[in-house]
Amino acid sequence: GIQVEQSPPDLILQEGANSTLRCNFSDSVNNLQWFHQNPWGQLINLFYIPSGTKQNGRLSATTVATERYSLLYISSSQTTDSGVYFCAVNAGGTSYGKLTFGQGTILTVHP
Amino acid sequence: EAGVAQSPRYKIIEKRQSVAFWCNPISGHATLYWYQQILGQGPKLLIQFQNNGVVDDSQLPKDRFSAERLKGVDSTLKIQPAKLEDSAVYLCASSLNVVGYTFGSGTRLTVV
Repeated sequence: GIQVEQSPPDLILQEGANSTLRCNFSDSVNNLQWFHQNPWGQLINLFYIPSGTKQNGRLSATTVATERYSLLYISSSQTTDSGVYFCAVNAGGTSYGKLTFGQGTILTVHP
Repeated sequence: EAGVAQSPRYKIIEKRQSVAFWCNPISGHATLYWYQQILGQGPKLLIQFQNNGVVDDSQLPKDRFSAERLKGVDSTLKIQPAKLEDSAVYLCASSLNVVGYTFGSGTRLTVV
C-alpha cells in the first residue's frame, strides 16, 4: 500500500517563530489532507490539498503532486498551535475513501 | 452543523472482557469510518461503510472485532474478547464525499 512519511518527528518553537512540516508519499494520490490533533485528541481538518497551494490565516499548504510531497507552513506560531500534525492521503482506485496517515509531527510552541 | 458524536469518551476494561463503542455521524453523510489510533502513531482504518454496506474491512481483526451500521446512520464497533494490545483511541469519522472528512472526539480504551 501507499507509504506516508512525515518530517520532522518533533519540533519545538518559541512563540512567533515560523515552521515548515513535510509530508512525502510513495504513490500518486487523489486526496491529501492535513490534520491537527489537539492535546484533547480531536482531529481537525486543516486543508484538503491534493495539488497546488492554499492559505488559511497563518497556515498555508503546498502539494507538488508530480514530486509526491506536501508542505505545511505555520507562520507566527502561537501556543495554541501545539499538538500533532498529520498528513493523510488516499490513493484512489480500490482504496475508496480510506485515508492512510503518516506518523505525525509533534509541535510544541513555548510562550 | 452538529459534529460526529461518539460515546463513551473513556473505557477501562480487563482483558478478555467485551466492549462496544457508538458513533452518530453528521446527518446526511453516507460514508462512515472507524479508525484505531495507538499511542504515538497515526490513525489506521479498521472499517468503512457506505450507507449500511461495508466497503473496506481488510484491516479489521475479524476474530474479535465486529461493526455494524444499522439503517445507514449510527454505527457500533465491538471488541470481544479484548486484548492488551487493543488499548488505543477509537475514532469515528464521516464524510459526504472523499473531501469532507469530520472526526469525532474518539473513545479512549484501556485494557488492563
